[in-house]
Amino acid sequence: DTAVSQTPKYLVTQMGNDKSIKCEQNLGHDTMYWYKQDSKKFLKIMFSYNNKELIINETVPNRFSPKSPDKAHLNLHINSLELGDSAVYFCASSQDLVGGGKSTDTQYFGPGTRLTVL
Amino acid sequence: GQNIDQPTEMTATEGAIVQINCTYQTSGFNGLFWYQQHAGEAPTFLSYNVLDGLEEKGRFSSFLSRSKGYSYLLLKELQMKDSASYLCAVREGGKLIFGQGTELSVKP
Repeated sequence: DTAVSQTPKYLVTQMGNDKSIKCEQNLGHDTMYWYKQDSKKFLKIMFSYNNKELIINETVPNRFSPKSPDKAHLNLHINSLELGDSAVYFCASSQDLVGGGKSTDTQYFGPGTRLTVL
Repeated sequence: GQNIDQPTEMTATEGAIVQINCTYQTSGFNGLFWYQQHAGEAPTFLSYNVLDGLEEKGRFSSFLSRSKGYSYLLLKELQMKDSASYLCAVREGGKLIFGQGTELSVKP
């Protein structure tokens, strides 16, 4: 009973290709996120969606396009992949988005997708 | 600007107590989280502080001082399985800002 799942777990591809990563959560949460973790282990937020609406876009290149068909899914499509896109991408979800200091804002992470661009 | 500092690495002995510190300077603050991340795995939630003071959860405790921009994670009765990276994260508005993590090695 995986709470937040991602596919694929590993993705190896050539520079210039287009690829997608899928994420699903079965926690009934309203908010979903994409994070990038680089080789130095820094986790950095890319996007967040609340009830299928884009809430946060952290100056990510427009080659990255998130899509939320419903509030349980948030997919990430990446066009024209570059070497610097190699990283681990984590999906996460939380019950609430707005930082009202509630514990229900706790984010739960998926297992990650290791993307390697050659 | 946003700045979250943690020690890069720490080593401790099985059965001992270790304290991992985190200092932060962010333009907003809506709570501080600690996550544990084993190599090749997802970060998992450990603790959450939004008010000053100590939160205890079994072998793990977390402390927050908002006036000092300071938190620590205390791990007691260390076990080998506690070897992992510990991530401090500040919630600012609707997003989490993470530190680089502290790699903890527990030795027998």
